[in-house]
Amino acid sequence: GAVVSQHPSRVICKSGTSVKIECRSLDFQATTMFWYRQFPKQSLMLMATSNEGSKATYEQGVEKDKFLINHASLTLSTLTVTSAHPEDSSFYICSAREGRGNEKLFFGSGTQLSVL
Amino acid sequence: AQKITQTQPGMFVQEKEAVTLDCTYDTSDPSYGLFWYKQPSSGEMIFLIYQGSYDQQNATEGRYSLNFQKARKSANLVISASQLGDSAMYFCAMREGLSGYNKLIFGAGTRLAVHP
Repeated sequence: GAVVSQHPSRVICKSGTSVKIECRSLDFQATTMFWYRQFPKQSLMLMATSNEGSKATYEQGVEKDKFLINHASLTLSTLTVTSAHPEDSSFYICSAREGRGNEKLFFGSGTQLSVL
Repeated sequence: AQKITQTQPGMFVQEKEAVTLDCTYDTSDPSYGLFWYKQPSSGEMIFLIYQGSYDQQNATEGRYSLNFQKARKSANLVISASQLGDSAMYFCAMREGLSGYNKLIFGAGTRLAVHP
């Protein structure tokens, strides 16, 4: 099946620094990737839709200047959390579509961000 | 209004027994897709099963089956012959429209515990 690789799996950073998370589709091309955020014991909340070669589409309430998304190629999307603060600590997970009939999404393994 | 509702925060089942996880959805779009994902404690999202709104038969994938009742707008997941490794969070999700470019909306999840 399709594989989506997400890196790093865990990151701890100081408040005020920026953190970049990578999401790669390893064996298929993903024109669209999705970034989700998950707080402990809660559901996944969509942050933004990343489109290759164009600007990301952000969900209401998500600061686009804080969560920078770049989808420069058909296999790579990045999420940069700028000037991170403790309230940004969360589990971030990306997903990509592999279109084989049922249009199911495959997810990366997630990134646990802890901001001190 | 909630698009996806999972009313069971937690469920318990005896090993080898069957269990049903409930999911109801709300949409006015005649074209939609319904998904179930499993999230173990490691955090990864594992695709289980998909049902399209126009599919005539209930979807099945091994021990997983989806009880799709369109008129009731429900898409319950049935896990037969539960195994200890089935203990995890389970999320129901919906995509409005059939394009893979459309975002996935998740329910709050149900935590399943399988007892020996």
